Order: sequence, then C-alpha cells, then structure tokens
Amino acid sequence: AQSVTQPDIHITVSEGASLELRCNYSYGATPYLFWYVQSPGQGLQLLLKYFSGDTLVQGIKGFEAEFKRSQSSFNLRKPSVHWSDAAEYFCAVAPFGNEKLTFGTGTRLTIIP
Amino acid sequence: NAGVTQTPKFRVLKTGQSMTLLCAQDMNHEYMYWYRQDPGMGLRLIHYSVGEGTTAKGEVPDGYNVSRLKKQNFLLGLESAAPSQTSVYFCASSYSPGLAGADKYFGPGTRLTVL
Repeated sequence: AQSVTQPDIHITVSEGASLELRCNYSYGATPYLFWYVQSPGQGLQLLLKYFSGDTLVQGIKGFEAEFKRSQSSFNLRKPSVHWSDAAEYFCAVAPFGNEKLTFGTGTRLTIIP
Repeated sequence: NAGVTQTPKFRVLKTGQSMTLLCAQDMNHEYMYWYRQDPGMGLRLIHYSVGEGTTAKGEVPDGYNVSRLKKQNFLLGLESAAPSQTSVYFCASSYSPGLAGADKYFGPGTRLTVL
C-alpha cells in the first residue's frame, strides 16, 4: 500500500523568505502526487499535481513542486512567502488511474513579519 | 456555482445518538467522497461513490453508512455515535478521473463532537 511522509509538523518562515516543504512517498511505481492547502476553517484546495512528464510542476499561488524519483520525494517550494500563505499543507499520493488518495499528516506553516 | 457544500457546519451529539451529514455538489461530478480529519493523522477516506446509486468502503468505514440516491448528494450517516467519531468531516467530489487523475473539490467541513 502507498504511504506519504511529511517529516515537518510545523515550520515558521519570515515573510519574503523562501519555503520548502518536504514530502516523501512509498509506492511501487510512479504514482499521482498532489499538494493541497488548507486555510483555517476551510476545506482543502489543490495547489498542484504531478502524474507524468516534466518533473517540475507549477501550481497556483506561485507554488511549484519537483518530483525526484530517485529520492521518492515531491517537495513543495515557493521563492518568497506572503503572510496569506499561512496554512496547513498536505501532500497526497494515489496509484496510477486510481482515485483513492492517501494523505500525509500535514505541515503547518506559520509566517512571521 | 456553490461548488461543494456541507450541512451542518457544527454538531454536538451524545453517545448513541444518530445523525446524517449532507454533502451537495453542483458541478455534475460523478465521484463523491467522505473523509475524516483527525489531529496528526491527515485525512482518511471513509466511503466513496463512483456514481448515482453506488457506494464503496474506504479506509475507515466502520460505524458509518452512506447513500447516493441523487447524483448531486452524498449522505453520511452515523447510526449510533461514539466519542471516537469526534472529528472534522470533509466531503469532496471529482469528475471521472481517467488517466490524468481528477482534481478533487472539497467542502468546508463539518465539525462533529460526540460526548
């Protein structure tokens, strides 16, 4: 069965600084990979996804993620964070052609002025 | 276009009581899902539906039942609530995934407390 690990429970970043959130997955083949963001009191919103092709994917709100097969990683990055980026971020994986997402436990992002 | 809506937003139950959570979507999506979110555990799939009149078990189905009588609605029922079912419940929907995977659209959640 697939699994997802987000090693950082909580990250604090200064506004304007760069950001990288880590995600490692375990799966026998190349899965679909997703990043979702959850603002306080809200549902999840899809930031970006990868299923094939270019390993660097661009998403909404200036986020990008890079798929590295050799490291089984799909880390999320943003060059300069804004206070509005404070939220919880979830990495998720689904087998190819399958709708059953497995979520990581999430990383809470705090932005300081 | 309201997207995915959930009713109610908050609810407090006593152990043994029953209730139904309603999820509605206006995007004509085939697939609908119920997840629960607990601290430190991410989201876990309870049940899902691949079309009107169909339901299937997810990762944590025990203690829950679902129905999809209309394409736009997906109901989650708790017949006899237990404190272990205290959680935030999210509904989601998507069109048929195909090979590219389908974006899921999530509702705002229902916070349920069972005393």
